[in-house]
Amino acid sequence: GIQVEQSPPDLILQEGANSTLRCNFSDSVNNLQWFHQNPWGQLINLFYIPSGTKQNGRLSATTVATERYSLLYISSSQTTDSGVYFCAVRKGGGADGLTFGKGTHLIIQP
Amino acid sequence: DGGITQSPKYLFRKEGQNVTLSCEQNLNHDAMYWYRQDPGQGLRLIYYSQIVNDFQKGDIAEGYSVSREKKESFPLTVTSAQKNPTAFYLCASSPKNSPLHFGNGTRLTVT
Repeated sequence: GIQVEQSPPDLILQEGANSTLRCNFSDSVNNLQWFHQNPWGQLINLFYIPSGTKQNGRLSATTVATERYSLLYISSSQTTDSGVYFCAVRKGGGADGLTFGKGTHLIIQP
Repeated sequence: DGGITQSPKYLFRKEGQNVTLSCEQNLNHDAMYWYRQDPGQGLRLIYYSQIVNDFQKGDIAEGYSVSREKKESFPLTVTSAQKNPTAFYLCASSPKNSPLHFGNGTRLTVT
């Protein structure tokens, strides 16, 4: 099946810093989503971005489908940004499930 | 209020007992999914259903069973055959070819 690799696995930053999280995938995809999992385990949809660039406030994402990677940018980090960020992809159409990476654990220190 | 409801939030069972986790959605989504998450790991797909009365195995279906008798409901049974059932279980739903949306999860502990 499709492989998803996220880097870095862990990231510790000071409040106000910027960060870039990367997601590499092994095959073409028609669905790519970025999620934030908070300390209570809740998965929050950040972006649905199989290709192109999107922005939402301090967060933005870019997927270069032809080169099989996606980037999540977080600017002016806040302590509430802490948690685990997951990239997940789906190769085909229809309703097959997403394949998740192992995540990037982000800690923002005050 | 539309959404995906998983219950209970925490569940404790003795080894050897079957246990059923509930997942209900009122979003009118056709597809529903069950994932398992272990500490420090990503999510792994257990089962999914694209339509009522139909479902497919995911990557780690052994020791689990599901049913899809209604569009709104997709319960997951963790059977005694599942060797390591203690985990965080997440249910999701989506329209066809659209993003997945997740419930808040059920933490199952088996001792």
